[in-house]
Amino acid sequence: ILNVEQSPQSLHVQEGDSTNFTCSFPSSNFYALHWYRWETAKSPEALFVMTLNGDEKKKGRISATLNTKEGYSYLYIKGSQPEDSATYLCAPTVGFQKLVFGTGTRLLVSP
Amino acid sequence: EAGVTQFPSHSVIEKGQTVTLRCDPISGHDNLYWYRRVMGKEIKFLLHFVKESKQDESGMPNNRFLAERTGGTYSTLKVQPAELEDSGVYFCASSQDHGIYGYTFGSGTRLTVV
Repeated sequence: ILNVEQSPQSLHVQEGDSTNFTCSFPSSNFYALHWYRWETAKSPEALFVMTLNGDEKKKGRISATLNTKEGYSYLYIKGSQPEDSATYLCAPTVGFQKLVFGTGTRLLVSP
Repeated sequence: EAGVTQFPSHSVIEKGQTVTLRCDPISGHDNLYWYRRVMGKEIKFLLHFVKESKQDESGMPNNRFLAERTGGTYSTLKVQPAELEDSGVYFCASSQDHGIYGYTFGSGTRLTVV
């Protein structure tokens, strides 16, 4: 059983703060790591797919890094805005195609 | 392009009844996945279709759940008879090329069994 851990479970920051979350996963049999942004009642929105150790990806104010050797990924949000409030999910793939999700980090950004 | 569409968005049924959820993947996506999130827990894999064939159904909870994808287009997930613990959000996702470019999710069906 693949154990994916995300921390913190929840986070409350003020508008303009920068923040980061952690995703830990077993480093063996690694294929890819996905980050999603999810608001309740909406579709999980794909942010990044990373495959190589040392990968860094950026999308606007959001960026992510990947360390496959030690089994972790960081997601960074620079200058958080209220519209960034959502649950951020990470999911490595197992068996080539199956996503295994962590429980997510729930972010609340107050104006 | 149209995204992944799921129907219904919400369903409330009584214990023992039958419910059928539908997923229309992105046109041309051979890979279709069903996932489920029960309250407070992580999203968990149920099964994976490649066209009309079940590639991996290791996540299906029990034989009350039946998934089909006749013709390799849309898919249905039937729960019969529904139990209280089946309540949750059922997501469908589709992908090309084994998901290396990512998976596109639908907005889910929120199922409540009372």
